[in-house]
Amino acid sequence: GDSVTQKEGLVTLTEGLPVMLNCTYQTIYSNAFLFWYVHYLNESPRLLLKSSTDNKRTEHQGFHATLHKSSSSFHLQKSSAQLSDSALYYCALSRGSNAKLTFGKGTKLSVKS
Amino acid sequence: EAGVTQSPRYAVLQEGQAVSFWCDPISGHDTLYWYQQPRDQGPQLLVYFRDEAVIDNSQLPSDRFSAVRPKGTNSTLKIQSAKQGDTATYLCASSLTEDTQYFGPGTRLLVL
Repeated sequence: GDSVTQKEGLVTLTEGLPVMLNCTYQTIYSNAFLFWYVHYLNESPRLLLKSSTDNKRTEHQGFHATLHKSSSSFHLQKSSAQLSDSALYYCALSRGSNAKLTFGKGTKLSVKS
Repeated sequence: EAGVTQSPRYAVLQEGQAVSFWCDPISGHDTLYWYQQPRDQGPQLLVYFRDEAVIDNSQLPSDRFSAVRPKGTNSTLKIQSAKQGDTATYLCASSLTEDTQYFGPGTRLLVL
Protein backbone atom coordinates (compact mmCIF):
# COMPACT_ATOMS: atom_id res chain seq x y z
CA GLY A 1 0.00 0.00 0.00
CA ASP A 2 0.88 3.67 -0.05
CA SER A 3 3.16 5.09 2.63
CA VAL A 4 4.69 8.41 3.67
CA THR A 5 7.85 8.73 5.75
CA GLN A 6 8.78 11.75 7.83
CA LYS A 7 12.02 10.75 9.52
CA GLU A 8 12.27 13.67 11.93
CA GLY A 9 9.83 13.64 14.79
CA LEU A 10 11.10 16.93 16.18
CA VAL A 11 13.04 19.75 14.57
CA THR A 12 14.25 22.57 16.80
CA LEU A 13 15.55 25.76 15.18
CA THR A 14 16.58 29.24 16.11
CA GLU A 15 14.51 32.03 14.58
CA GLY A 16 15.93 33.21 11.27
CA LEU A 17 17.53 29.92 10.28
CA PRO A 18 16.29 27.97 7.24
CA VAL A 19 13.70 25.25 7.62
CA MET A 20 13.76 21.89 5.86
CA LEU A 21 11.35 19.13 6.78
CA ASN A 22 11.84 15.85 4.96
CA CYS A 23 9.13 13.80 3.28
CA THR A 24 9.50 10.70 1.15
CA TYR A 25 6.74 8.47 -0.11
CA GLN A 26 5.96 5.16 -1.75
CA THR A 27 3.10 4.49 -4.15
CA ILE A 28 2.54 2.55 -7.33
CA TYR A 29 0.19 5.24 -8.58
CA SER A 30 1.87 7.42 -11.21
CA ASN A 31 -0.32 10.49 -10.67
CA ALA A 32 -0.09 10.87 -6.91
CA PHE A 33 -0.81 14.19 -5.20
CA LEU A 34 1.47 15.25 -2.35
CA PHE A 35 0.39 17.61 0.41
CA TRP A 36 1.78 19.42 3.42
CA TYR A 37 -0.69 20.11 6.21
CA VAL A 38 0.11 22.34 9.19
CA HIS A 39 -1.49 21.85 12.60
CA TYR A 40 -1.17 24.71 15.07
CA LEU A 41 -2.01 24.06 18.71
CA ASN A 42 -5.74 24.34 19.40
CA GLU A 43 -6.60 24.73 15.73
CA SER A 44 -7.69 22.39 12.95
CA PRO A 45 -5.09 20.95 10.57
CA ARG A 46 -5.06 22.98 7.36
CA LEU A 47 -3.55 22.64 3.94
CA LEU A 48 -0.27 24.45 3.39
CA LEU A 49 0.86 23.15 -0.02
CA LYS A 50 -0.09 20.57 -2.59
CA SER A 51 1.41 19.35 -5.85
CA SER A 52 1.12 16.64 -8.45
CA THR A 53 3.53 18.13 -10.99
CA ASP A 54 7.03 16.72 -11.17
CA ASN A 55 9.87 19.19 -10.61
CA LYS A 56 7.60 22.19 -10.17
CA ARG A 57 8.11 24.43 -7.11
CA THR A 58 4.94 25.18 -5.15
CA GLU A 59 4.86 28.11 -2.72
CA HIS A 60 2.49 29.39 -0.06
CA GLN A 61 2.89 31.62 3.01
CA GLY A 62 6.67 31.68 2.68
CA PHE A 63 6.99 27.90 2.49
CA HIS A 64 7.86 25.99 -0.64
CA ALA A 65 8.21 22.41 -1.81
CA THR A 66 9.09 20.66 -5.04
CA LEU A 67 7.78 17.24 -5.96
CA HIS A 68 10.59 15.03 -7.24
CA LYS A 69 9.13 11.80 -8.57
CA SER A 70 12.58 10.39 -9.37
CA SER A 71 13.45 10.37 -5.67
CA SER A 72 9.85 10.15 -4.34
CA SER A 73 10.37 13.24 -2.24
CA PHE A 74 8.42 16.37 -1.31
CA HIS A 75 10.52 18.25 1.25
CA LEU A 76 9.13 21.40 2.86
CA GLN A 77 11.41 24.44 3.02
CA LYS A 78 11.42 28.00 4.21
CA SER A 79 14.29 30.43 4.00
CA SER A 80 13.92 31.92 7.46
CA ALA A 81 12.04 30.39 10.39
CA GLN A 82 9.70 32.52 12.49
CA LEU A 83 8.47 31.86 16.01
CA SER A 84 4.94 31.61 14.60
CA ASP A 85 5.98 28.65 12.43
CA SER A 86 6.07 26.42 15.50
CA ALA A 87 3.52 23.68 14.79
CA LEU A 88 3.07 20.08 13.66
CA TYR A 89 3.65 19.51 9.97
CA TYR A 90 2.22 16.49 8.18
CA CYS A 91 3.14 15.25 4.75
CA ALA A 92 0.39 13.32 2.99
CA LEU A 93 -0.27 11.52 -0.27
CA SER A 94 -3.39 10.74 -2.27
CA ARG A 95 -4.10 8.94 -5.52
CA GLY A 96 -6.21 11.82 -6.75
CA SER A 97 -6.82 15.33 -5.47
CA ASN A 98 -9.93 14.19 -3.67
CA ALA A 99 -9.07 10.64 -2.73
CA LYS A 100 -8.22 9.45 0.75
CA LEU A 101 -5.06 10.87 2.28
CA THR A 102 -2.22 8.74 3.62
CA PHE A 103 -0.33 10.74 6.23
CA GLY A 104 3.16 10.55 7.61
CA LYS A 105 3.71 10.56 11.38
CA GLY A 106 4.31 14.28 11.40
CA THR A 107 7.24 16.53 12.33
CA LYS A 108 7.00 18.95 15.21
CA LEU A 109 8.77 22.18 14.36
CA SER A 110 9.84 24.22 17.36
CA VAL A 111 11.29 27.65 16.63
CA LYS A 112 13.08 29.44 19.46
CA SER A 113 14.35 32.99 19.81
CA GLU B 1 -18.19 30.54 5.71
CA ALA B 2 -18.36 28.22 8.72
CA GLY B 3 -15.75 25.50 8.91
CA VAL B 4 -16.15 21.84 9.77
CA THR B 5 -17.58 21.47 13.26
CA GLN B 6 -17.35 18.46 15.54
CA SER B 7 -18.82 17.53 18.88
CA PRO B 8 -18.06 16.72 21.55
CA ARG B 9 -14.54 18.11 21.73
CA TYR B 10 -13.53 15.69 24.48
CA ALA B 11 -14.80 12.35 25.78
CA VAL B 12 -13.62 10.11 28.60
CA LEU B 13 -15.01 6.57 28.83
CA GLN B 14 -14.50 3.32 30.65
CA GLU B 15 -13.75 0.27 28.51
CA GLY B 16 -16.95 -1.27 27.21
CA GLN B 17 -18.89 1.97 27.03
CA ALA B 18 -20.33 3.37 23.81
CA VAL B 19 -19.72 6.83 22.37
CA SER B 20 -20.88 8.81 19.34
CA PHE B 21 -19.11 11.61 17.54
CA TRP B 22 -20.85 14.15 15.31
CA CYS B 23 -19.54 16.04 12.34
CA ASP B 24 -21.13 18.94 10.48
CA PRO B 25 -19.21 19.52 7.23
CA ILE B 26 -18.84 22.74 5.31
CA SER B 27 -22.12 23.52 3.56
CA GLY B 28 -22.21 22.11 0.04
CA HIS B 29 -19.31 19.70 0.48
CA ASP B 30 -20.26 16.34 -0.94
CA THR B 31 -17.40 14.29 0.50
CA LEU B 32 -16.87 13.60 4.19
CA TYR B 33 -13.99 11.75 5.84
CA TRP B 34 -13.39 10.31 9.31
CA TYR B 35 -9.79 9.89 10.47
CA GLN B 36 -8.38 8.35 13.65
CA GLN B 37 -5.20 9.94 15.00
CA PRO B 38 -3.46 8.05 17.82
CA ARG B 39 -1.03 10.05 19.93
CA ASP B 40 2.21 10.87 18.09
CA GLN B 41 0.90 9.46 14.80
CA GLY B 42 -0.52 10.97 11.64
CA PRO B 43 -4.25 10.75 10.91
CA GLN B 44 -5.39 7.40 9.49
CA LEU B 45 -8.53 7.18 7.37
CA LEU B 46 -11.36 5.14 8.84
CA VAL B 47 -14.15 5.77 6.33
CA TYR B 48 -15.30 8.26 3.75
CA PHE B 49 -18.59 9.15 2.08
CA ARG B 50 -19.62 10.82 -1.10
CA ASP B 51 -23.08 12.20 -0.39
CA GLU B 52 -24.75 9.42 1.64
CA ALA B 53 -22.81 6.55 0.07
CA VAL B 54 -19.84 4.87 1.72
CA ILE B 55 -16.91 4.96 -0.71
CA ASP B 56 -14.29 3.24 1.44
CA ASN B 57 -14.67 1.73 4.89
CA SER B 58 -11.93 -0.86 4.60
CA GLN B 59 -10.07 0.51 7.65
CA LEU B 60 -13.14 0.76 9.88
CA PRO B 61 -13.18 -1.97 12.60
CA SER B 62 -16.65 -3.17 11.68
CA ASP B 63 -17.22 -5.19 14.81
CA ARG B 64 -17.31 -2.09 17.02
CA PHE B 65 -17.25 0.99 14.79
CA SER B 66 -20.02 2.28 12.57
CA ALA B 67 -20.49 5.46 10.57
CA VAL B 68 -23.48 6.95 8.79
CA ARG B 69 -24.29 10.01 6.74
CA PRO B 70 -28.00 9.48 6.05
CA LYS B 71 -28.86 12.72 4.23
CA GLY B 72 -25.49 13.38 2.72
CA THR B 73 -24.78 16.23 5.13
CA ASN B 74 -23.99 15.58 8.82
CA SER B 75 -22.34 12.36 9.90
CA THR B 76 -22.08 10.25 13.04
CA LEU B 77 -19.25 7.91 13.99
CA LYS B 78 -20.07 5.45 16.78
CA ILE B 79 -17.95 3.11 18.85
CA GLN B 80 -20.10 0.37 20.40
CA SER B 81 -17.77 -1.03 23.03
CA ALA B 82 -14.71 1.13 23.46
CA LYS B 83 -11.25 -0.32 24.15
CA GLN B 84 -8.17 1.41 25.54
CA GLY B 85 -6.61 1.09 22.08
CA ASP B 86 -9.32 3.41 20.73
CA THR B 87 -7.78 6.31 22.64
CA ALA B 88 -7.06 8.88 19.92
CA THR B 89 -8.25 12.07 18.32
CA TYR B 90 -11.05 11.56 15.78
CA LEU B 91 -10.92 14.05 12.95
CA CYS B 92 -13.64 14.82 10.47
CA ALA B 93 -12.85 16.46 7.12
CA SER B 94 -14.96 17.52 4.17
CA SER B 95 -14.34 18.52 0.58
CA LEU B 96 -15.95 19.28 -2.74
CA THR B 97 -15.24 16.57 -5.26
CA GLU B 98 -11.72 16.98 -6.67
CA ASP B 99 -10.76 19.64 -4.13
CA THR B 100 -8.97 20.24 -0.85
CA GLN B 101 -9.97 18.49 2.38
CA TYR B 102 -10.86 20.84 5.24
CA PHE B 103 -10.50 19.46 8.75
CA GLY B 104 -12.52 20.02 11.89
CA PRO B 105 -10.96 20.53 15.34
CA GLY B 106 -11.32 16.86 16.28
CA THR B 107 -12.72 14.95 19.24
CA ARG B 108 -10.18 13.75 21.77
CA LEU B 109 -11.19 10.37 23.18
CA LEU B 110 -9.64 8.80 26.27
CA VAL B 111 -10.67 5.25 27.14
CA LEU B 112 -9.70 4.23 30.68
